[in-house]
Amino acid sequence: QKEVEQNSGPLSVPEGAIASLNCTYSDRGSQSFFWYRQYSGKSPELIMFIYSNGDKEDGRFTAQLNKASQYVSLLIRDSQPSDSATYLCAVIHFTGGGNKLTFGTGTQLKVEL
Amino acid sequence: NAGVMQNPRHLVRRRGQEARLRCSPMKGHSHVYWYRQLPEEGLKFMVYLQKENIIDESGMPKERFSAEFPKEGPSILRIQQVVRGDSAAYFCASSPSLGANYNEQFFGPGTRLTVL
Repeated sequence: QKEVEQNSGPLSVPEGAIASLNCTYSDRGSQSFFWYRQYSGKSPELIMFIYSNGDKEDGRFTAQLNKASQYVSLLIRDSQPSDSATYLCAVIHFTGGGNKLTFGTGTQLKVEL
Repeated sequence: NAGVMQNPRHLVRRRGQEARLRCSPMKGHSHVYWYRQLPEEGLKFMVYLQKENIIDESGMPKERFSAEFPKEGPSILRIQQVVRGDSAAYFCASSPSLGANYNEQFFGPGTRLTVL
């Protein structure tokens, strides 16, 4: 079982719709959760992070965390063509050795005109 | 406020040569992480360093790979005797030591290594 799982997609949504990206993780000790956006050929860009159960909103983005279900999601409202990218879910399990990120393989999002 | 800097952005090496990848963290950041992204694969952690210390190298291949973060200068990821399977994008990330953003890692533009 992979530590962080995402549907590879592509997930296609029309412009203006809500895009819902999902991620599950296997390690119950995971404590911090991150969403990165990566355009083709570029580096990951941090969008949001969440530590506590519930929702966290930032502009058009909402992150949702359910630790009991080991599930984290990202909602993108009013999707734009510029949102078309691969979205990476990452988790941190704090250890004495540091805060390494464990990534999923990403979900490709396509926002269509 | 400059972000994480990496150089070179593209590096071509022949099999058996050495590759040196450099990373300068964001100003005020003292934690450096290296990740590798193989074609069509996810990002994989390699090593975590603080100044003059390797904190976690659990993701580093046992041979040919080494990393350092000296007191002065950038962090360096060194790959000796490169093979074609080393061709990948290598990303460096940095985070601050303290504060609300302690766990947030910001990525550099990456170095794309091609081994011929």
